[in-house]
Amino acid sequence: RKEVEQDPGPFNVPEGATVAFNCTYSNSASQSFFWYRQDCRKEPKLLMSVYSSGNEDGRFTAQLNRASQYISLLIRDSKLSDSATYLCVVNILRGATNKLIFGTGTLLAVQP
Amino acid sequence: EAQVTQNPRYLITVTGKKLTVTCSQNMNHEYMSWYRQDPGLGLRQIYYSMNVEVTDKGDVPEGYKVSRKEKRNFPLILESPSPNQTSLYFCASSRGWANSQETQYFGPGTRLLVL
Repeated sequence: RKEVEQDPGPFNVPEGATVAFNCTYSNSASQSFFWYRQDCRKEPKLLMSVYSSGNEDGRFTAQLNRASQYISLLIRDSKLSDSATYLCVVNILRGATNKLIFGTGTLLAVQP
Repeated sequence: EAQVTQNPRYLITVTGKKLTVTCSQNMNHEYMSWYRQDPGLGLRQIYYSMNVEVTDKGDVPEGYKVSRKEKRNFPLILESPSPNQTSLYFCASSRGWANSQETQYFGPGTRLLVL
C-alpha cells in the first residue's frame, strides 16, 4: 500500500465549477500536510499547508481529518488557470530529519 | 531572485557514460535533496543533505552519488547510467530539516533519457 494515495483523475470540470480532491495517508505519525501544485512539465510548487482546524486561501480550502487519515482540497469557482496536477504531500519524521512523502497527484482539467 | 537552478534541463545519453546534473540554490538553505519523478510512482527521494559534507540516502539511492562541498551546490552524479534511470529529476532545497512546516523549493527539473 502506498504511503500517500490519491485518485489520479483526470477531473474534467467546466469553468466556475467546484471540485474536491481527497488524499489518504497510512502513517499515523505524520506530522504535517501540504498541497503542492505541478503544472505540466514544471516543478512542484507549494499551494498551501493543511492545518487540523482547516484553512482557506481565497478559492482554495484544505481540510485534515487525522482520525480517518485523509486530507482534502476544495477549489471553488474553478478557473482555466487552475488546470494542473495537485500533489498531496505528507511530512513524517524519519530518524532525525523530516521527510516529505508525495502522492502521485490528481490531474485537474478545467474546460472553457 | 530566490531560486534553485539545475543544469542541464534536458539530456540524452548512452548506457555507461558518466554524467553529472548540477543543482544550485541562492537562498542560503541548509537542506537540499534530489528526487526523481516517474509516471504512477510520484516523486521519490534519491539523496538528501542536511548541510555541507552531510549527505544521506533517500528511498532510491542505487546508481546515484551526491556531494555537498559548498552550501549552495548539490550535484547528482550517475557513474554508469542505465535505461532504468531515464526519468525527470528535481533538485529541491529548504531552510532547514528540523521544522516539519518547511517549504521545499524545487528546481525546474532535468529530463534524462538513457539509451
